Amino acid sequence: DTEVTQTPKHLVMGMTNKKSLKCEQHMGHRAMYWYKQKAKKPPELMFVYSYEKLSINESVPSRFSPECPNSSLLNLHLHALQPEDSALYLCASSQPGGGGPVAGELFFGEGSRLTVL
Amino acid sequence: GENVEQHPSTLSVQEGDSAVIKCTYSDSASNYFPWYKQELGKGPQLIIDIRSNVGEKKDQRIAVTLNKTAKHFSLHITETQPEDSAVYFCAASIWRGYKLSFGAGTTVTVRA
Repeated sequence: DTEVTQTPKHLVMGMTNKKSLKCEQHMGHRAMYWYKQKAKKPPELMFVYSYEKLSINESVPSRFSPECPNSSLLNLHLHALQPEDSALYLCASSQPGGGGPVAGELFFGEGSRLTVL
Repeated sequence: GENVEQHPSTLSVQEGDSAVIKCTYSDSASNYFPWYKQELGKGPQLIIDIRSNVGEKKDQRIAVTLNKTAKHFSLHITETQPEDSAVYFCAASIWRGYKLSFGAGTTVTVRA
């Protein structure tokens, strides 16, 4: 069983809705990530948090807003999404080193499948 | 940036046979090469990884080989079982970097 827990597993929202995806890990990891995965494609990096601070934003549209309330939690706030944003959103964590995020040994959650109508 | 190519895109094998997936990378600075398995409806799971200071690593029925000179690495699954059916992604990164560059994925089907 994965040690990264994501909720909800499924989410359907309209283009005017505001919703949030949540992620929690209790492995003591201090780097957390949001990835987006379209069907039959590899995961694409969206955001990286290191020690609760946003380290990387891969030019993601502002309708996606990440938040890291503490070292165990990661949220992704969604607002005014488009149908093309429908995808599987994956949270991951890893152990950083040298004060920065570490991409190696990523632990992924099961994902939140988002459908935008 | 790093570009990872993965072949084949689909692979069908008879149960008990071996499966081999190959990846090439472009950035000679990459030194960490993980393999992820993604079952239907689940997130990717790390199954094995290798760093550039070794040429081969084995874990039960799974092995990974790395040729740094040629910039390619491969996943070998022996004695395949139906539960090996999944999508497999190779990836490359700089250890302690922040970004994994994934291959396009290989859908493996093990026929009973």
